[in-house]
Amino acid sequence: GEDVEQSLFLSVREGDSSVINCTYTDSSSTYLYWYKQEPGAGLQLLTYIFSNMDMKQDQRLTVLLNKKDKHLSLRIADTQTGDSAIYFCAETAFNTDKLIFGTGTRLQVFP
Amino acid sequence: NAGVTQTPKFQVLKTGQSMTLQCAQDMNHEYMSWYRQDPGMGLRLIHYSVGAGITDQGEVPNGYNVSRSTTEDFPLRLLSAAPSQTSVYFCASGPRPRNEQFFGPGTRLTVL
Repeated sequence: GEDVEQSLFLSVREGDSSVINCTYTDSSSTYLYWYKQEPGAGLQLLTYIFSNMDMKQDQRLTVLLNKKDKHLSLRIADTQTGDSAIYFCAETAFNTDKLIFGTGTRLQVFP
Repeated sequence: NAGVTQTPKFQVLKTGQSMTLQCAQDMNHEYMSWYRQDPGMGLRLIHYSVGAGITDQGEVPNGYNVSRSTTEDFPLRLLSAAPSQTSVYFCASGPRPRNEQFFGPGTRLTVL
């Protein structure tokens, strides 16, 4: 079945860049997402990328997709304390109705 | 719009009790889903529905039932609660699974 893996923790200094990584197993994954969960809240969509793209940039966020290695990353430039949260990658394919989430990466930003 | 609402926010059950977690959305979304969130396990899909009258199993469906009699509501039933079902439960909705999903605030369930 589908499997989406992430490292559990990342700690960065304020102002540095953060890179959160994700690997997935389903080669038919067509849509890949990054969601953010702030403490005590539900998830909110940050950005997404289609499988026919290699990169997508959205203000401080850059998403890179390596389809050969089934590897997705999220880079946050100039990380701020407000970026402290849990970040989930998620994937779905055109021929399925399931949206599968990863294990989540807790990002901690320190001054 | 209220978005996605979940009730209750917190619940404590004894082993063997049953209960229903409520989820409602007012965005006319066809797709709704239930996830549970556990430390180190991320979000795992329990059940999902692509429209009224249609439900299907996700990754971890055992011990849970769902129904979808209306577009708006997607309740999750625990028939006989077990301590392994202690978790935070999230309901989500979207037009389709590949569109943005909107999440409710979650229900924190403890089974003693």
